[in-house]
Amino acid sequence: DVKVTQSSRYLVKRTGEKVFLECVQDMDHENMFWYRQDPGLGLRLIYFSYDVKMKEKGDIPEGYSVSREKKERFSLILESASTNQTSMYLCASRPNSVRKLFFGSGTQLSVL
Amino acid sequence: TQLLEQSPQFLSIQEGENLTVYCNSSSVFSSLQWYRQEPGEGPVLLVTVVTGGEVKKLKRLTFQFGDARKDSSLHITAAQPGDTGLYLCAGDTGGFKTIFGAGTRLFVKA
Repeated sequence: DVKVTQSSRYLVKRTGEKVFLECVQDMDHENMFWYRQDPGLGLRLIYFSYDVKMKEKGDIPEGYSVSREKKERFSLILESASTNQTSMYLCASRPNSVRKLFFGSGTQLSVL
Repeated sequence: TQLLEQSPQFLSIQEGENLTVYCNSSSVFSSLQWYRQEPGEGPVLLVTVVTGGEVKKLKRLTFQFGDARKDSSLHITAAQPGDTGLYLCAGDTGGFKTIFGAGTRLFVKA
C-alpha cells in the first residue's frame, strides 16, 4: 500500500515563527500536493509539484512556500506564521498514471 | 473558478435509514471522485466515475455521475454506524488540480 507520511500530527506555534511541515511518500509518485482543510470550506490547494524542484501555485498560495529537493519529499513552509493559518494541513501524492490521490493523516497546526 | 457544491453539509440519521448526498457544479469534469475521511485520518478514495450517466456500486453505496458530467450523487442504503465520516466529492479538471466540495458529515446512530 502507498504510504504518505506527515512528520507531525499536531503542532502549536507562535505568531511570526517559521514553520516547516514535512511530507514523505514511498511509492515513487511524480506529483505531490499540499492542501489545507477548514470546516465548511473543504480542501483547498496551496501548492503542488509535478517533478523534483518543480512547483506550482494552487488556489491559496499566499503566506506559504514549498520545497521539493527529492522526489519522495515535499515540504510546506510558513515563512511567518499567522493565526489565520491555523488549520488542518493534508499532503497528498499521486502518480501520472492514475487520478487517485493518496493522502497523509494530516497535521493539525495551531498558531497562537 | 470551478466550484463543487455539496449537500447536505451535515446529516444525522438512525441505523438502517437510507440517505443521498449530492454534489453539483456548473462546470464539466473529466471524472468525479468520492472520498471518505474518518477523524484523524486523510481522505481515502471510494470510487471514481468517468462516463456521463455512469452508476457504480460499492456494497451498500451507489454512486452516480450525471449525464452532463456536472453533478454526482452518493446513495447509502441501510446506513450502519461504520458509515459515519466525512464524505467528499472531488472533480477532476484533467490537469493537476482536483476541486473538492466542502464535504458532508454523516453520523449514523446505533
